[in-house]
Amino acid sequence: TQLLEQSPQFLSIQEGENLTVYCNSSSVFSSLQWYRQEPGEGPVLLVTVVTGGEVKKLKRLTFQFGDARKDSSLHITAAQPGDTGLYLCAGPNSGYSTLTFGKGTMLLVSP
Amino acid sequence: DAGVIQSPRHEVTEMGQEVTLRCKPISGHNSLFWYRQTMMRGLELLIYFNNNVPIDDSGMPEDRFSAKMPNASFSTLKIQPSEPRDSAVYFCASSLDRVGTGELFFGEGSRLTVL
Repeated sequence: TQLLEQSPQFLSIQEGENLTVYCNSSSVFSSLQWYRQEPGEGPVLLVTVVTGGEVKKLKRLTFQFGDARKDSSLHITAAQPGDTGLYLCAGPNSGYSTLTFGKGTMLLVSP
Repeated sequence: DAGVIQSPRHEVTEMGQEVTLRCKPISGHNSLFWYRQTMMRGLELLIYFNNNVPIDDSGMPEDRFSAKMPNASFSTLKIQPSEPRDSAVYFCASSLDRVGTGELFFGEGSRLTVL
């Protein structure tokens, strides 16, 4: 089983601060996905990274896939209360049929 | 198009009772997944269907859990008998085909509390 370790588990910051959360594995993944889950809702896909070293930007969010495709990071610039939620990384199994999720980073952004 | 629809949103039951959770995937999606989410273990895959056929049920905790998909638009997850340790949020998700680089679409979840 390919495991994904996310850190930190919990992050509480003030509006306007920058932050980075991490997703690490000892296994190589063909791709990694990032989801955000708001309270009382299901996870929603933010981005998929496919190529080692790839960087994708989604407004104030920057996603990077490690060169060796074993890790990924999510950087948020000038965090806002609307960014509050559980950030999950996920990778496909070897058969590309299911996704394994990390336990997530719970982000709380206070006004 | 409507998203993945789950029912009930909340269920409170007593230990030993049967619980049935329901899911309607997005029309046209070939794959359906049941996940369980807890604080301790995160999101765990319970079972995966492709074209209504169970492909991987290795995540189903034990014989008390069963899942069916009688047609492309409906699936159930049943727990009988339920136990307090089954308390969790159960998510149904669907995807167009193999997840690879594709997207999983989740329902809003069914929060189960077993007393």
